[in-house]
Amino acid sequence: GNSVTQMEGPVTLSEEAFLTINCTYTATGYPSLFWYVQYPGEGLQLLLKATKADDKGSNKGFEATYRKETTSFHLEKGSVQVSDSAVYFCALKYRFGNEKLTFGTGTRLTIIP
Amino acid sequence: GAGVSQTPSNKVTEKGKYVELRCDPISGHTALYWYRQSLGQGPEFLIYFQGTGAADDSGLPNDRFFAVRPEGSVSTLKIQRTERGDSAVYLCASSPLPGTGGYTFGSGTRLTVV
Repeated sequence: GNSVTQMEGPVTLSEEAFLTINCTYTATGYPSLFWYVQYPGEGLQLLLKATKADDKGSNKGFEATYRKETTSFHLEKGSVQVSDSAVYFCALKYRFGNEKLTFGTGTRLTIIP
Repeated sequence: GAGVSQTPSNKVTEKGKYVELRCDPISGHTALYWYRQSLGQGPEFLIYFQGTGAADDSGLPNDRFFAVRPEGSVSTLKIQRTERGDSAVYLCASSPLPGTGGYTFGSGTRLTVV
């Protein structure tokens, strides 16, 4: 079946550090890939997405590239801020005919000033 | 409203009792989803509505769980004979059209079965 494997947390970084959160997936066919973020006390929010191989999703300084050859969708940011502290979830969905999102277990990120 | 509203935000119930969890989606969103998030895990799909009908209920764990959306807007997730293992955060999401994956989630209802 489909699954998403995320880098285990928690991850603690200093402000302005470079961030990578690894995500790999197992799926038949060509799913769409997502990163969702959950800030403290808030609901899940879509951060970025990519719908086909080699697509790059980007938002708020975060980027992730859909790599079919390595079945990966790693999240990166060049310089993190304290306000980026949150839980990040990688997820996949088939583009047609199936509305189910399959999530990873989440990675808690804490940025210290 | 501006976002997806879920009520109550917290619910404590005794084992064996019946509970209802409500979701008020963004106005005009035809697609509505329920997910369940256990501690330390990612959300798991329960059910998806397109309009009034359940288009996919394959994630409901057993027949104690049921959800309705009678007028194509508000949805209620119903759990009968609650068990301690049902304790989790129940998330609702909506989207204007299915297929995009870019859902708007509510803040969830934290259900604790004691």
